[in-house]
Amino acid sequence: DAGVIQSPRHEVTEMGQEVTLRCKPISGHNSLFWYRQTMMRGLELLIYFNNNVPIDDSGMPEDRFSAKMPNASFSTLKIQPSEPRDSAVYFCASSQGYAKNIQYFGAGTRLSVL
Amino acid sequence: DQQVKQNSPSLSVQEGRISILNCDYTNSMFDYFLWYKKYPAEGPTFLISISSIKDKNEDGRFTVFLNKSAKHLSLHIVPSQPGDSAVYFCAAINTDKLIFGTGTRLQVFP
Repeated sequence: DAGVIQSPRHEVTEMGQEVTLRCKPISGHNSLFWYRQTMMRGLELLIYFNNNVPIDDSGMPEDRFSAKMPNASFSTLKIQPSEPRDSAVYFCASSQGYAKNIQYFGAGTRLSVL
Repeated sequence: DQQVKQNSPSLSVQEGRISILNCDYTNSMFDYFLWYKKYPAEGPTFLISISSIKDKNEDGRFTVFLNKSAKHLSLHIVPSQPGDSAVYFCAAINTDKLIFGTGTRLQVFP
């Protein structure tokens, strides 16, 4: 298996633009997680899905952030409009089941908002 | 408010010696803990875990110790190798999701 695949690996955009991050989980995994990594706060869970349904989005910073999982093999995280403080590395992870099962992470998307 | 804290942002250890990475947590309801390792430009990978019913779990060179009364866990790496140089994240289970610490960067030098 190719593992969790994220695209793009790097994204540079200007403030106010829309940004879409993409994730393909490992086939057969039914849980998908979006995380944001910053120096100050480490890895923060933004949202997670189980069987394509959003279960907990309490970590989503504000309404500018939205996430979808239209099917078992694809998810997006969208920021509209983007702001410089959104600059971070965004990770997608998938697992079979919930948190006590090992989560497998993608390589991340490094986002820079100028 | 950080529920999982890694107070040492970095650690430098000589090859062959022991590396000890520490983690503190605030929520006594946490019942499962994990360590993840992260290399630059890669995602975190699972390393080792421990249930709250245990106080030690060992896997090769890696041992995790849990002190529930102190709400503290530590990861021991013996002997340390240059390939262990990475960022290590401590994480705890809160109901159905992982709460991560801010990470400790370990550097193992020859």
